[in-house]
This record gives sequence, C-alpha cells and structure tokens, in this order.
Amino acid sequence: EAGVTQFPSHSVIEKGQTVTLRCDPISGHDNLYWYRRVMGKEIKFLLHFVKESKQDESGMPNNRFLAERTGGTYSTLKVQPAELEDSGVYFCASSQDWRGGQETQYFGPGTRLLVL
Amino acid sequence: KQEVTQIPAALSVPEGENLVLNCSFTDSAIYNLQWFRQDPGKGLTSLLLIQSSQREQTSGRLNASLDKSSGRSTLYIAASQPGDSATYLCAVRPGSGAGSYQLTFGKGTKLSVIP
Repeated sequence: EAGVTQFPSHSVIEKGQTVTLRCDPISGHDNLYWYRRVMGKEIKFLLHFVKESKQDESGMPNNRFLAERTGGTYSTLKVQPAELEDSGVYFCASSQDWRGGQETQYFGPGTRLLVL
Repeated sequence: KQEVTQIPAALSVPEGENLVLNCSFTDSAIYNLQWFRQDPGKGLTSLLLIQSSQREQTSGRLNASLDKSSGRSTLYIAASQPGDSATYLCAVRPGSGAGSYQLTFGKGTKLSVIP
C-alpha cells in the first residue's frame, strides 16, 4: 500500500511569488491534515479535511494560505504571495475515519519550502 | 493551550544500551499520544500510539508508557542499535472539542547510537 506522497519535495521561490504544494493521502483515508515546521520550532497544525470539507482550519497563519481538497482525494496548499517567514517544511498526513479505530496519522515526507 | 516538552533535546549512547526518552504535556485531557521517528530529510514514521485509557504499548524493542494524570510518557528502547539514530517526536491529540484531531508536537529528542 502506497503511503502519503507529497510534491514537490523541495521548492525555492522568491518573496512575492506563488507556490502550490500537493498531497496525495493513503487511499481510502477520509482525514487529511497539513502541518508545518519552521526552523527551530516544533511541528504545528495548519488544517484538517474530512473528505472534501474543511473540518478545522484554526492553524492557518493568514489568508495568504489556501487549502483545497478536490473530490475528497488529493489536496493542495497554495501560498500567495509567499513571504520569508513561510519557509519551512510542510507535512501532509492522513488517517482513516476514527470510527474504524484507526486514529494513527500517517505522515508524508514533507515539502521543503525556501522563500528568498 | 497544550504544550509538549521533550527532554533531553539530544542524547548520545553506545550501541547495546537501553534508553528512555521522555515526553511531558501540560493538559492531561488527551485522546491519545503518538510517538514518531524522523530520519534526516525524511518524513515522520509512526512508532506507537497509546490511547488515553491504556498504560503502555509495545512494538519489538520499543515500549511506550503513558501516565495521563501526571502528563508524562516515556519511550523505552531496548538494546539500542546504530539504526535507531533519528529524531524521536512525541505528539498528543486532545480529548474533545474543536480541534480535537490536531496533534500537538514536542520539539523532539535527537538520538545518536554510537557503534
């Protein structure tokens, strides 16, 4: 079974540009999460989808960040316009519906974003 | 607001030694606690998940314990090997309410096992 995949693995952009990150969750997982780790800090939650709906976006830093999950499958996270402080590693995770007892969140390899 | 602390930040041990990694959290109203490992430049690999009603979970040479009332968890690694070298992260999920799927992470403990 394929794990969570993320694309691209690395991205270097200039301040003011736009970047779109993609996440493909494990097949059949209803829950999809985005997290971020900035330099020297702990990993922090950004938002949570249940299928195509945003369940919790309380961790989104500001309105320059836009997340979508088309058809409840893959998700994109767009940063527009990017600022220097957006640099970090963006992780995606997925989990099955908790009613199945499978609450483990499985993480992807992350996208390393550097804004210059 | 939940805070998770992991001590020590870094640990170096000789191969074969048993070791304990510590995790503490400020709000005991958790749903579960997960231990992950992260290898350099890689994603997070889930090691163990302990439900709030459980006291411990075991997988191979790993044993994780949970004392919810005191806000503590430990990850015990038996007979450490160089391949265990990685950063170990602890994360808690809140018990209920808004944001109840959010994981709150510690900064991790960087483990080096010396051959």
